Amino acid sequence: AQTVTQSQPEMSVQEAETVTLSCTYDTSESDYYLFWYKQPPSRQMILVIRQEAYKQQNATENRFSVNFQKAAKSFSLKISDSQLGDAAMYFCAYTRYGGSQGNLIFGKGTKLSVKP
Amino acid sequence: NAGVTQTPKFQVLKTGQSMTLQCAQDMNHEYMSWYRQDPGMGLRLIHYSVGAGITDQGEVPNGYNVSRSTTEDFPLRLLSAAPSQTSVYFCASRTRGRSYEQYFGPGTRLTVT
Repeated sequence: AQTVTQSQPEMSVQEAETVTLSCTYDTSESDYYLFWYKQPPSRQMILVIRQEAYKQQNATENRFSVNFQKAAKSFSLKISDSQLGDAAMYFCAYTRYGGSQGNLIFGKGTKLSVKP
Repeated sequence: NAGVTQTPKFQVLKTGQSMTLQCAQDMNHEYMSWYRQDPGMGLRLIHYSVGAGITDQGEVPNGYNVSRSTTEDFPLRLLSAAPSQTSVYFCASRTRGRSYEQYFGPGTRLTVT
C-alpha cells in the first residue's frame, strides 16, 4: 500500500527566511501525482503546488517550489521569503494516476510557524 | 461558482443519533469524495463516487453511508453516531482528466458526546 510520511510535526521560520518541509512516500507505481496542501486556521484546504511524476522538472509556484527526487521517493517543499500568512498546517499528498479515482493519500502534516 | 459547499459547519450529536452531512458542488465534477481529519492523522478517505449512482469505500468506511443520486450532491450519513466519529469532515470533488486537482469544501466539525 502507498504511504506518505512527513517526519517534521512542527517547523518554525523567521519572516523573510527560507524553510523546507520534508515528505517521503512509498509506492511501486511509476505514474503518479504529488501535492502540497496548505491548511490555515480557517480549516480550508488550499492546493499549493502539484508535481507529476513523469516530469523531471521541479514544479514552482511563485515563492513555493519543490525538490522532487523520484528515485529517492522524496518530495520536499521550499518556501522562500516566508510571510506571516504562510503560517499553517502543510500536508503532502499522493495519488496514483489511473487508480482509486484520484483519491488522495495524505501525510500527517507539518505545522509551520512564522516568527515576525 | 460557489465551488464545493458543506453544511452544517458545526454539529454536536449524542451517541446513537443519526445525521446527514451535506455536500454539493456546482462545477459539474464527476468525482466526489469524503475525508475525515483527526488530530495527528492527516486526512483519510471514507467513501468516494465516480458518478451518479456509483459509490465505493475508502480507507475508513465503517459507520458511514453514502449515495449519489445527482452529479451535484454527495451526502454522508452517520447511522448511529459514536464518540470515535468526532472529527472534521471534508468533501472534495474533481473533474475527469489528468490534472487530478481536488477541490475541497470548508469542512464540518462534528462532536459526538
